Amino acid sequence: AQKITQTQPGMFVQEKEAVTLDCTYDTSDQSYGLFWYKQPSSGEMIFLIYQGSYDEQNATEGRYSLNFQKARKSANLVISASQLGDSAMYFCAMSRYNQGGKLIFGQGTELSVKP
Amino acid sequence: NAGVTQTPKFQVLKTGQSMTLQCAQDMNHEYMSWYRQDPGMGLRLIHYSVGAGITDQGEVPNGYNVSRSTTEDFPLRLLSAAPSQTSVYFCASSYDFGGNTGYTFGSGTRLTVV
Repeated sequence: AQKITQTQPGMFVQEKEAVTLDCTYDTSDQSYGLFWYKQPSSGEMIFLIYQGSYDEQNATEGRYSLNFQKARKSANLVISASQLGDSAMYFCAMSRYNQGGKLIFGQGTELSVKP
Repeated sequence: NAGVTQTPKFQVLKTGQSMTLQCAQDMNHEYMSWYRQDPGMGLRLIHYSVGAGITDQGEVPNGYNVSRSTTEDFPLRLLSAAPSQTSVYFCASSYDFGGNTGYTFGSGTRLTVV
């Protein structure tokens, strides 16, 4: 069975600083993908970044990067130069390559950016 | 291109009533799924589908039914609503297992069962 663990229920960061949101996962599969989603107070789910289990380089998308450590089964999200608009819930999730449609989520981390 | 459309956005039901949450996508995605979101528990998978006519259970399927007669639509049915089903429900679709484009989510349905 797959499991995603996010151990930080809430985080604070000063505007313009970088912040790391932790995510660890548990799976016996070799082929899987890891995702991060942002959920602002308005409620929509916004896809941020993806990392495949066979990708050798860490994924980056603008100010977002994914620190992928396969041996440790961690997939931490790094947000550089935090902005007030980054205040939101952040969810880590995973999906097996042969199980499209089945996305498993962690409990989420609520990030607050201070001016 | 509307993406994933969920209706209704809000609904109040009495215990024991039935209803169907609608989900439609116009991206020709094969994979669709339903999630419920409760405070402190993230999103939990209810049911998912890998194509028309094929569905399977997720983490919390009890009390919910689904069917997938077309690629575009994936309705979620509550046969006899219970207060424990008060939640926010999200429908999502994807081209394959997600990949570089991720899963596309609808805007959610906030359901209250009294």
